[in-house]
Amino acid sequence: AQSVTQLGSHVSVSEGALVLLRCNYSSSVPPYLFWYVQYPNQGLQLLLKYTSAATLVKGINGFEAEFKKSETSFHLTKPSAHMSDAAEYFCAVTLNSGNTPLVFGKGTRLSVIA
Amino acid sequence: DGGITQSPKYLFRKEGQNVTLSCEQNLNHDAMYWYRQDPGQGLRLIYYSQIVNDFQKGDIAEGYSVSREKKESFPLTVTSAQKNPTAFYLCASSSRVGEQYFGPGTRLTVT
Repeated sequence: AQSVTQLGSHVSVSEGALVLLRCNYSSSVPPYLFWYVQYPNQGLQLLLKYTSAATLVKGINGFEAEFKKSETSFHLTKPSAHMSDAAEYFCAVTLNSGNTPLVFGKGTRLSVIA
Repeated sequence: DGGITQSPKYLFRKEGQNVTLSCEQNLNHDAMYWYRQDPGQGLRLIYYSQIVNDFQKGDIAEGYSVSREKKESFPLTVTSAQKNPTAFYLCASSSRVGEQYFGPGTRLTVT
C-alpha cells in the first residue's frame, strides 16, 4: 500500500525566504503525486501534480516540486515566501491515474513572518 | 460556475442524532469522495463512489453511511454509532485525469 510522510508539522519562514516543504512517498510502482493547499476553514486547492511526465512540475502561485525517484521524494518549493502563502499544505499519492482515492500526508502548516 | 457545493457550512447536533451532510457537484465527474479532517491527522477517507449506485468503504467507514443515486450528489450520513463525530468533513470529486476537486467543507459539532 502506498503512504506519504510529510516531515515537519509546522514550518516557519521569513517573508522573501525560500519555502521548502518535504514529502516522501512509499509506493511499489510509479505513483501519481499531488500537492494541495488549504486555507483556514476552507476546502483543498490543487497546487500541482506529477503524472510521470516532466520530473520538475510547476504549479500555481509560484510553487514547484521535483519528483526524485531515487529519493522517493516530491518536495515543494517556492523561491520567495509571501504572507499570503501562510496555510496548510498536503502531499498526496495514488497509484492510478483517475477515480481512485488519494492517500494524504498529515500536512505541514506554513507560517510566514514579516 | 462549475464546482462542488457542501451544505451547511456549520452544523450542530445533539449526541444520539443522525445527521446528513450534503455534497453536490456540477463538474460531470464520475467519482466522488468523503474525507474527515481532524487537527494533525490529515485527511482520512470515509467512503468513495466511482459510479452511480455503487460505493466502497474507506479507512474509517464505521458509523457513517452514504448513497449515490445521482451522478451529481453524494450525501453522507453521520449516525449515532459514530463515536467521535465532531470534525471537519470534506467532499471531493475527480475525473479520469486524477486530481480531486474539493468542496468548501462542513464543520460538524456534536455535543
